[in-house]
Amino acid sequence: DGGITQSPKYLFRKEGQNVTLSCEQNLNHDAMYWYRQDPGQGLRLIYYSQIVNDFQKGDIAEGYSVSREKKESFPLTVTSAQKNPTAFYLCASTPGQGYNSPLHFGNGTRLTVT
Amino acid sequence: AQSVTQLDSQVPVFEEAPVELRCNYSSSVSVYLFWYVQYPNQGLQLLLKYLSGSTLVESINGFEAEFNKSQTSFHLRKPSVHISDTAEYFCAVSGRSYKYIFGTGTRLKVLA
Repeated sequence: DGGITQSPKYLFRKEGQNVTLSCEQNLNHDAMYWYRQDPGQGLRLIYYSQIVNDFQKGDIAEGYSVSREKKESFPLTVTSAQKNPTAFYLCASTPGQGYNSPLHFGNGTRLTVT
Repeated sequence: AQSVTQLDSQVPVFEEAPVELRCNYSSSVSVYLFWYVQYPNQGLQLLLKYLSGSTLVESINGFEAEFNKSQTSFHLRKPSVHISDTAEYFCAVSGRSYKYIFGTGTRLKVLA
């Protein structure tokens, strides 16, 4: 079955450490997205990529970095510059590069930084 | 800029009663509208979508939503809810910016 795999499901890190969240899709989708979810705030866009080797900042990109070297992979690095990294992170994708298809989501990674 | 407002953060309702979850959007361009459902510690699943055509869209599990352009709304309804419908529901809008904007979510709690 095609889908989006996010790993690990739970991640614990000490403050000051960088951490990379994995996102892999086998849907052959062109566009991929990273969202951050906090209670009561909905989903906020961190980064998105419409095509390999290209990505754009979302609304809350500060303290995060991404790469898109392969179509199926879009890892997110949470750097030590991110002031409040503890959150639930969701990766998503859509076919084509468009905006008229629904997002397909992975099951998320819950990051806790202490 | 586009935005989505879900005014109700929590909606408690008794089993077999009807429910409406409200969603209003703001956009200066044509939009596409979506409802997603999220169960605890999981990703979001598409419930239904409005892209064009009939303004009333339905899902396979009894939910429906109506696109109302004049009121810029896309409210979600179900005539009779089940315990299993307890979840968080998100309304989302997309447009030519290639971004998908989400509301803050509504927690539906179905009571026995």
